[in-house]
Amino acid sequence: TQLLEQSPQFLSIQEGENLTVYCNSSSVFSSLQWYRQEPGEGPVLLVTVVTGGEVKKLKRLTFQFGDARKDSSLHITAAQPGDTGLYLCAGAIKDNFNKFYFGSGTKLNVKP
Amino acid sequence: DTGVSQNPRHKITKRGQNVTFRCDPISEHNRLYWYRQTLGQGPEFLTYFQNEAQLEKSRLLSDRFSAERPKGSFSTLEIQRTEQGDSAMYLCASRPGGSGRFPDTQYFGPGTRLTVL
Repeated sequence: TQLLEQSPQFLSIQEGENLTVYCNSSSVFSSLQWYRQEPGEGPVLLVTVVTGGEVKKLKRLTFQFGDARKDSSLHITAAQPGDTGLYLCAGAIKDNFNKFYFGSGTKLNVKP
Repeated sequence: DTGVSQNPRHKITKRGQNVTFRCDPISEHNRLYWYRQTLGQGPEFLTYFQNEAQLEKSRLLSDRFSAERPKGSFSTLEIQRTEQGDSAMYLCASRPGGSGRFPDTQYFGPGTRLTVL
């Protein structure tokens, strides 16, 4: 079992729709990061959230860190084809902040 | 360009051969990570360096795998006697040390895609 569970695994939507991706764990994280990865490339950092309850906005993307620092969500408003990619959450647990755990990712396809 | 670089980007080899990958981190970052990613999965932690010291290794890192960071700058990952199951994307990431604004953030290179025939 993975330390970070992401859902859904796959998401195929039409341009203009909204969506939410979830990242859950039973462990407490010192921080969580969200990345987007395109085929054949390394993950690109989108955001880091560090405080329980924190909400960060990046244009049409809204990231939330749970109050207990065990979960996070990524909400995309009015999705565009350019948002297509693999979305990964990752974090370092409170007891070992040198090692990062990744979720298995959410593969998003936004159709024009 | 001040990002993380990895070479080669692609490597095709025959089973049983040795391969070596190189990672050049962001210059002021003293922490360096290696990950392996297979299709449809998130990256899996392999090993971590702080400066030249290898501080943690995953159980995934069998005896055939070795990583070095001799001068605390670039790093190499060598796989000996490659097997078909080693086919994957090998990712390197670097991270700033100390208590900077985002001490927990990693920055990834583009990866090396290994195919073992």
